[in-house]
Amino acid sequence: EVQLLQSGGGLVQPGGSLRLSCAASGFTFRLYAMTWVRQAPGKGLEWVSTINNTGGTTRYADSVKGRFTVSRDNSKNTLFLQMDSLRAEDTARYYCARGSDTHDWGQGTLVTVSS
Amino acid sequence: DIQMTQSPPSLSASVGDRVTITCRASQGISNYLTWFQQKPGKAPKSLIYGASTLQSGVPSRFSGSGSGTDFTLTISSLEPEDFATYYCQQYHSYPLTFGGGSDVDIK
Repeated sequence: EVQLLQSGGGLVQPGGSLRLSCAASGFTFRLYAMTWVRQAPGKGLEWVSTINNTGGTTRYADSVKGRFTVSRDNSKNTLFLQMDSLRAEDTARYYCARGSDTHDWGQGTLVTVSS
Repeated sequence: DIQMTQSPPSLSASVGDRVTITCRASQGISNYLTWFQQKPGKAPKSLIYGASTLQSGVPSRFSGSGSGTDFTLTISSLEPEDFATYYCQQYHSYPLTFGGGSDVDIK
């Protein structure tokens, strides 16, 4: 069974940083691209970032480019999202997902940016 | 960027009804389309990928069709557990983009 277990959310002040993690199991992690998607309270889904299976290619939404960094550790089956220079509009539940077709989803982790 | 337009934004239906949701892409995406179901407070659950391939474990009352720019999600006979919000997403090109969602609630 595919499992994506997320951690690392919380409350942070504007301008601060957070690092999200997504621990994968139940599939061969190193073979799959991984994606981050977010959902602001009461809103729809917004793509944030995708990393290819090796970590050599990364893509970002314009809204986070230059502030967020996606990475992965294939030896530990874990995906990361480093979020810097956080803004109020980054407040959302963040989901990791398997593949660019978002085949399977993590449970989500809430990030709140507020003073 | 490819815009994904879903319709209707919301609909009211009864158990047993046939429900159809459409998704239109602003340019051709072949069959690089997936459909999700999301219930309040829960993570999205993938239903269909490749426009028409059912995910493992998804009931056969769900089906998807279409190619190019026009796509359809059909629920052949609505069950109580199907009341939820449905989204489409294209993965043809970056940025990946989602439809605005279609809320299916009880009539």
